[in-house]
Amino acid sequence: EAQVTQNPRYLITVTGKKLTVTCSQNMNHEYMSWYRQDPGLGLRQIYYSMNVEVTDKGDVPEGYKVSRKEKRNFPLILESPSPNQTSLYFCASRLDRYTGELFFGEGSRLTVL
Amino acid sequence: QQQVKQSPQSLIVQKGGISIINCAYENTAFDYFPWYQQFPGKGPALLIAIRPDVSEKKEGRFTISFNKSAKQFSLHIMDSQPGDSATYFCAASMRTSYDKVIFGPGTSLSVIP
Repeated sequence: EAQVTQNPRYLITVTGKKLTVTCSQNMNHEYMSWYRQDPGLGLRQIYYSMNVEVTDKGDVPEGYKVSRKEKRNFPLILESPSPNQTSLYFCASRLDRYTGELFFGEGSRLTVL
Repeated sequence: QQQVKQSPQSLIVQKGGISIINCAYENTAFDYFPWYQQFPGKGPALLIAIRPDVSEKKEGRFTISFNKSAKQFSLHIMDSQPGDSATYFCAASMRTSYDKVIFGPGTSLSVIP
């Protein structure tokens, strides 16, 4: 089954404790991205990657890091989480930069105390 | 200029009625306008999309109407059903730079029996 898998789905952590949210896709997609969803703000792009070892900032990259060492994986790293990073996070992929449809994971709800 | 506006924020429609969600954009370089549907606890999924060379696209009970001169587009759900209850996001992007997908803030639709 074609899918984007995120882990963990739910996480409660404390300020400053490093965490990683993993994302994996099995569709051989070139393009992957991370979004955060907040009420009234919709989905805002954090980082994106057009291929292995190629990443770039989205609209709200502050406080986040990413890496793309393999085509299928695109982890999101919060080096020192803060309460304003409490949000619902989505990983998404698409075939390449010229194809419109995004395939989303089921989301990771993060709470930073 | 990158913003996509969406209204209403929430919508309650009776079963069998028509649900209408409106979006507006500023950047005339946008040339791909998808709508995503999100059920609680799930990631968004592509519902229907349109390019500006057509004024309307219909898929089953879902229709996008596009007004290029007004820079507006809307989603119409005919014969709305309780199973359509979800959050709907409009979005916009450019064929030459699908890296950037700008989402509207979302509309929460409730279809009541």
